[in-house]
Amino acid sequence: AQTVTQSQPEMSVQEAETVTLSCTYDTSESDYYLFWYKQPPSRQMILVIRQEAYKQQNATENRFSVNFQKAAKSFSLKISDSQLGDAAMYFCAYRSGSSGSARQLTFGSGTQLTVLP
Amino acid sequence: NAGVMQNPRHLVRRRGQEARLRCSPMKGHSHVYWYRQLPEEGLKFMVYLQKENIIDESGMPKERFSAEFPKEGPSILRIQQVVRGDSAAYFCASSDRGGSYEQYFGPGTRLTVT
Repeated sequence: AQTVTQSQPEMSVQEAETVTLSCTYDTSESDYYLFWYKQPPSRQMILVIRQEAYKQQNATENRFSVNFQKAAKSFSLKISDSQLGDAAMYFCAYRSGSSGSARQLTFGSGTQLTVLP
Repeated sequence: NAGVMQNPRHLVRRRGQEARLRCSPMKGHSHVYWYRQLPEEGLKFMVYLQKENIIDESGMPKERFSAEFPKEGPSILRIQQVVRGDSAAYFCASSDRGGSYEQYFGPGTRLTVT
């Protein structure tokens, strides 16, 4: 079974600075997808960024980028120019890409990000 | 294009009562997933359904929990004889006909058992 580990329960960053959230995962599959979701106080789950395992290039979405290290099974999220609105719980998630396999997301335990003004 | 709808947003039930949670997927989506988030934890998969079929219920507790996604109408997650440990946020997500890997989440239903 796949597992996702987020070893930082809490992180803080100064507004306009950069912060990196860590995520590691364990899988025997070669085809899969990785995601970062944001959960603000409203509790709505918002997709921040996704990465296909077969792509070597790291995904980027505006101020959000990932460092995907497939051999090390590491998938960290970097938030540049942090804003107050970035404060939220961030979840790393894994999904198998093999046809016929389970399609559910496996989530880590989350990292609570605080942005300091 | 309306997003995933869940209702009610908040539900209070006394121990032993039944809870029915509803999820309307995004327009055109025929795949529905239910997840549960216990306090201070990440989301845990419960069940995956397509119209009129349960595809994977490996995350569902064996007793008291059931789910359906009828041909017409929303998907329903039903919890019979609720206990305090069922208190959690229940999220529904949907994806499109092609099995896109992107799941769109609803706002969740917060169930409180008193």
